[in-house]
Amino acid sequence: DGGITQSPKYLFRKEGQNVTLSCEQNLNHDAMYWYRQDPGQGLRLIYYSQIVNDFQKGDIAEGYSVSREKKESFPLTVTSAQKNPTAFYLCASSMIQGANSPLHFGNGTRLTVT
Amino acid sequence: AQKVTQAQTEISVVEKEDVTLDCVYETRDTTYYLFWYKQPPSGELVFLIRRNSFDEQNEISGRYSWNFQKSTSSFNFTITASQVVDSAVYFCALSEGAQKLVFGQGTRLTINP
Repeated sequence: DGGITQSPKYLFRKEGQNVTLSCEQNLNHDAMYWYRQDPGQGLRLIYYSQIVNDFQKGDIAEGYSVSREKKESFPLTVTSAQKNPTAFYLCASSMIQGANSPLHFGNGTRLTVT
Repeated sequence: AQKVTQAQTEISVVEKEDVTLDCVYETRDTTYYLFWYKQPPSGELVFLIRRNSFDEQNEISGRYSWNFQKSTSSFNFTITASQVVDSAVYFCALSEGAQKLVFGQGTRLTINP
């Protein structure tokens, strides 16, 4: 079955360490996204990519980095510069970059930094 | 700027009751899309419906129905004869132009047996 796989489901890190969250999709979608979800808040866009080797900052990109070397993969690195990294991270993809294309989401990674 | 407001943070009802989740949006564009997503306890968001700004027809899908009213900038979601499996967090979202969805804060719906 096609879908989006995020790993790991739970991740624990010490403050000051960089950590990379994995996102893989086999839906042959062109566009991929990273969102952050905090309790009681909606999802906020971190980064998005429309095509391989290209990506754009979202609303809260500071302290994060991404790469898009393959169509199927869009890993997110949470750097030590991110001041409040503990959150639930969701990866998504869509067939095309466009306002009318529904997003398909992974199951998320819950990151805890102490 | 775009904005989506889901004023109901949490709703709790007894099974078989009808329940309506409110969504109010703000946008300056005449062309935009509205979405509803469901987030069950497993975490992933599941797409429920998409509406474009030129289609004000209400939609019904089984026990789910959506009421889109441009005059009040609202896109409300009603579940009829609710079931325990409907328990989830529901998000309303707005998109205009590029695919940058703006999400509401979400409404946590609990259906009690």
